[in-house]
Amino acid sequence: EIVMTQSPATLSVSPGERATVSCRASQSAYIHLAWYQQKRGQAPRLLIYGASTRATGVPARFSGSGSETEFTLTISSLQSEDSAVYYCQQYNRWPLSFGGGTKVEIK
Amino acid sequence: EVQLVESGGGLVQPGGSLRLSCAASGFTFSNHWMTWVRRAPGKGLEWVAIIKQDARETYYADSVKGRFTVSRDNARNSLYLQMNSLRAEDTAVYSCARWIGVNIHGGSGFDSWGQGTLVTVSS
Repeated sequence: EIVMTQSPATLSVSPGERATVSCRASQSAYIHLAWYQQKRGQAPRLLIYGASTRATGVPARFSGSGSETEFTLTISSLQSEDSAVYYCQQYNRWPLSFGGGTKVEIK
Repeated sequence: EVQLVESGGGLVQPGGSLRLSCAASGFTFSNHWMTWVRRAPGKGLEWVAIIKQDARETYYADSVKGRFTVSRDNARNSLYLQMNSLRAEDTAVYSCARWIGVNIHGGSGFDSWGQGTLVTVSS
């Protein structure tokens, strides 16, 4: 099983500043890595797949990078509506697995 | 518009069973892998199970293997999760989601999700 570890658990960032979320895989996930955003009371929203491809309708301030075991989600200029929990998910090997989540707060 | 609506949640005693349903609309259900994901209170997302378009392949998280069974009825555009031998740690909101891509490894993520149904396992 590939264990996904996210850091930090909580991130507090001022509006307009950059937010960076890290995700580490215990084994290679190649580039089979997706990122999701979940706001309170809402279903998760797909942001990134293939480690770096933005999903349809996702603003350009969201970007993903990395491969193998190290991945990063960057929000280039944080907006108030970006307050949410962010999850990485690998789909390189069975069983599929999510990271523990990173809560992004607006400072 | 893609819609996924879960039902069947509720309160069940430890050791009991429950069957969840997910009604899909707004897309060609039979073209997609479909999955169940859960979120326990105060915890993060946990992947539970997935089923291929033609139901010939299913995969499970280790935590539910042997107790849960995922199935689908493409004629009814419906996904199911039969949960047996339920434990307190199975308490969670269970959501269904659609996978984009013919295969998992070349695919593009879970792009549509339902709001979920709450399962509470308690005596």
